[in-house]
Amino acid sequence: GDSVTQMEGPVTLSEEAFLTINCTYTATGYPSLFWYVQYPGEGLQLLLKATKADDKGSNKGFEATYRKETTSFHLEKGSVQVSDSAVYFCASGSGGSYIPTFGRGTSLIVHP
Amino acid sequence: NAGVTQTPKFQVLKTGQSMTLQCAQDMNHEYMSWYRQDPGMGLRLIHYSVGAGITDQGEVPNGYNVSRSTTEDFPLRLLSAAPSQTSVYFCASSYSGTAEETQYFGPGTRLLVL
Repeated sequence: GDSVTQMEGPVTLSEEAFLTINCTYTATGYPSLFWYVQYPGEGLQLLLKATKADDKGSNKGFEATYRKETTSFHLEKGSVQVSDSAVYFCASGSGGSYIPTFGRGTSLIVHP
Repeated sequence: NAGVTQTPKFQVLKTGQSMTLQCAQDMNHEYMSWYRQDPGMGLRLIHYSVGAGITDQGEVPNGYNVSRSTTEDFPLRLLSAAPSQTSVYFCASSYSGTAEETQYFGPGTRLLVL
């Protein structure tokens, strides 16, 4: 079946540092790919998505590019802020399925 | 739109008690689902529904029941609570019911079973 693997955390950074959270997927066909963010005490919310190869999703300074050749969707941000501290989930979803596949989540802690 | 709402926000139960976690959405979404989130385990799917009157089991359905009598509501019932059901529960919905769609999550219900 489909699977999503993302780097384990926590990832600890200082404010204004560069962020990369790795995500790779296995799927039949060409799924849509997502990054969701979960702030402390809240539910998940969509951060960005990409629906086909070479698409770049972006939002709030975060970016991720759909790489079919490496089956990856790495999340990046050039300069993180304390307010970015959260858990980030990578996910995939195929049109032939009802159920999306989530990674286990990566906790990001940003220190002032 | 309120989006996806869940009640209660917090609940403490004793072992053996029953309760219903409420979930409602006002976006006319066909697909709704329940997840539990435990430390180090990520999100695990409990039950899902692709429309009113249609439900199916997810990865960890034991000890939970669901029904979907309306498009808007998808309650989760704990029949006889156990300490292993201590968790944070999230309801989610999406428009069409294919996994390509964005999932919209509720704020969660934090459950402690003593």
